[in-house]
Amino acid sequence: DVVLTQSPLSLPVTVGQPASISCRSSQSLVFTDGNTYLNWFQQRPGQSPRRLIYKVSNRDSGVPDRFSGSGSGTDFTLKISRVEPEDVGVYYCMQGSHKYTFGQGTKLEIK
Amino acid sequence: EVQLLESGGKVVQPGGSLRLSCEASGFPFRTYSMNWVRQAPGKGLEWVSTITNTAKVTYYADFVQGRFNISRDNSKNTLFLHMSSLRAEDSAVYFCVKGAQFGNWGQGTPVIVSS
Repeated sequence: DVVLTQSPLSLPVTVGQPASISCRSSQSLVFTDGNTYLNWFQQRPGQSPRRLIYKVSNRDSGVPDRFSGSGSGTDFTLKISRVEPEDVGVYYCMQGSHKYTFGQGTKLEIK
Repeated sequence: EVQLLESGGKVVQPGGSLRLSCEASGFPFRTYSMNWVRQAPGKGLEWVSTITNTAKVTYYADFVQGRFNISRDNSKNTLFLHMSSLRAEDSAVYFCVKGAQFGNWGQGTPVIVSS
């Protein structure tokens, strides 16, 4: 089974500063169709998860452009260019190339 | 607007059974695969099961071990999860999720397995 390892697991950030979350896979996430099915989700306190990024780098409608995704193969990153107070929550990566697996989650908090 | 409304969660004894439902609206349900994801209290997200749009193919997480069955009724825009031989560790909020890329999530329905 594919294992996704996120780091850090806890991320204290000052408002206005950048933040970065890493997601590493135990095997390549390039699917047989050539796509890489790596998505990022945000779960704010008390809410359901919301998808931010799909297929590595495609931002969902309504997601602020301060969020960006990058990476390839087994190494992926979610970046927030300038953290805002509403970004507090837990961020998960998820792969869909070999059934489905979620990372452990990264808790972003404001310093 | 996509809406996913889960129901059926409740307190059940260990070894018991339960059926969760998810009523979908706002999109062509019959053209999308659907999923169940769960989240134990204070824990992360855990994929449970997926069913293709025609219900011809289903997938399950290893921990299901034959205890759960995912199904759908495309005439009623409804997704189901039949759970049996429930264990304490199955206690979680169960989310209904749209599509192969998990683009939309319901609000979840809580399942508590306890005597």
